[in-house]
Amino acid sequence: DTGVSQDPRHKITKRGQNVTFRCDPISEHNRLYWYRQTLGQGPEFLTYFQNEAQLEKSRLLSDRFSAERPKGSFSTLEIQRTEQGDSAMYLCASSLTSLSGNTIYFGEGSWLTVV
Amino acid sequence: DAKTTQPTSMDCAEGRAANLPCNHSTISGNEYVYWYRQIHSQGPQYIIHGLKNNETNEMASLIITEDRKSSTLILPHATLRDTAVYYCIVRARMDSSYKLIFGSGTRLLVRP
Repeated sequence: DTGVSQDPRHKITKRGQNVTFRCDPISEHNRLYWYRQTLGQGPEFLTYFQNEAQLEKSRLLSDRFSAERPKGSFSTLEIQRTEQGDSAMYLCASSLTSLSGNTIYFGEGSWLTVV
Repeated sequence: DAKTTQPTSMDCAEGRAANLPCNHSTISGNEYVYWYRQIHSQGPQYIIHGLKNNETNEMASLIITEDRKSSTLILPHATLRDTAVYYCIVRARMDSSYKLIFGSGTRLLVRP
């Protein structure tokens, strides 16, 4: 059983550049979540998908952020015109909605440093 | 989702039981208690969850009080690898998103 996979694991970019992160959820998981975590804080919810539909977006997700899950499988999170405040770990998670529960499993995260 | 209160930090000796408390006095009847942990620089790891009965798995035990206003995560024989931040989260089963709302967690240090 492969877990949630995220790529790249680390990214250093210059301010103003665009970056894209990819997430491959656990196979057949219909829900996919994106979180952001800064040093010393717990993860903060950004957005989630059920299949290919983006059903909720946090106010943290500014206009420079966009997430997609075009075929209901992998997802991408793009940040345009990066700012230093975007430096954080971006976490992807997935779950399968079922009668027995909906446990969410996280990937290892993608670290972003904006210089 | 109901708010949870956890101690900021705790420590225990290697090989001893680690008992991590969590208060969730405003929990409602349809909300589950979930525990995750996060080892430095890694993604959160699911540990266990429960509704009202005590639960046990290969990682830990979860004890929920009868009034459900608090719970305790028990790591029966803590090892150095259990040093992590532990998050207690309550989540409504019927919430449309089922998303997890993380607090600050408890930083557990297991001493040699």
